[in-house]
Amino acid sequence: DVKVTQSSRYLVKRTGEKVFLECVQDMDHENMFWYRQDPGLGLRLIYFSYDVKMKEKGDIPEGYSVSREKKERFSLILESASTNQTSMYLCASSTQQGAYEQYFGPGTRLTVT
Amino acid sequence: AQRVTQPEKLLSVFKGAPVELKCNYSYSGSPELFWYVQYSRQRLQLLLRHISRESIKGFTADLNKGETSFHLKKPFAQEEDSAMYYCALKGYSTLTFGKGTMLLVSP
Repeated sequence: DVKVTQSSRYLVKRTGEKVFLECVQDMDHENMFWYRQDPGLGLRLIYFSYDVKMKEKGDIPEGYSVSREKKERFSLILESASTNQTSMYLCASSTQQGAYEQYFGPGTRLTVT
Repeated sequence: AQRVTQPEKLLSVFKGAPVELKCNYSYSGSPELFWYVQYSRQRLQLLLRHISRESIKGFTADLNKGETSFHLKKPFAQEEDSAMYYCALKGYSTLTFGKGTMLLVSP
């Protein structure tokens, strides 16, 4: 059973803080993804990675960066958190061949005050 | 540009009624489409994909290229079907998701 875990379920940060969201998968998947989920806006892709140290911008990368130093771990970084980054953040992973069957983590609800 | 449209934010039905969650897409190539579901307090998960032509939990979805649609249907809704449903379209190496439809099934 694929397991994708995220470091925190709930996180509260102040404006201007640097925020790290961690995601770990245990199925040796090549692909990993970060989305944000907002009511009325659905899921929007922030960044994805198809290999260690490789990353690609998604639809809304502004204000975010990512790091993938190990295959199982994909980190999302908010360099200077802002209130409009308050959201639910979802991590997902998939095999390279089954890139369209993505396995999601439980989500991190980030509030920036 | 590829796009997925789910016109309904909320669909409310009674138990036993038929359900149709609408999804329309825009894509220049040969599309591959999926439905994902998120039950309350659970993870988002794949429900079904059009290429498999399977029925999952009583749900089916047929790709209609003429109408560029991939509507999700179930003949008799159950209370446990209440969830958020997302239609998704395959891109070059990622998925494009619609904005989602919340299905509420009342007893």
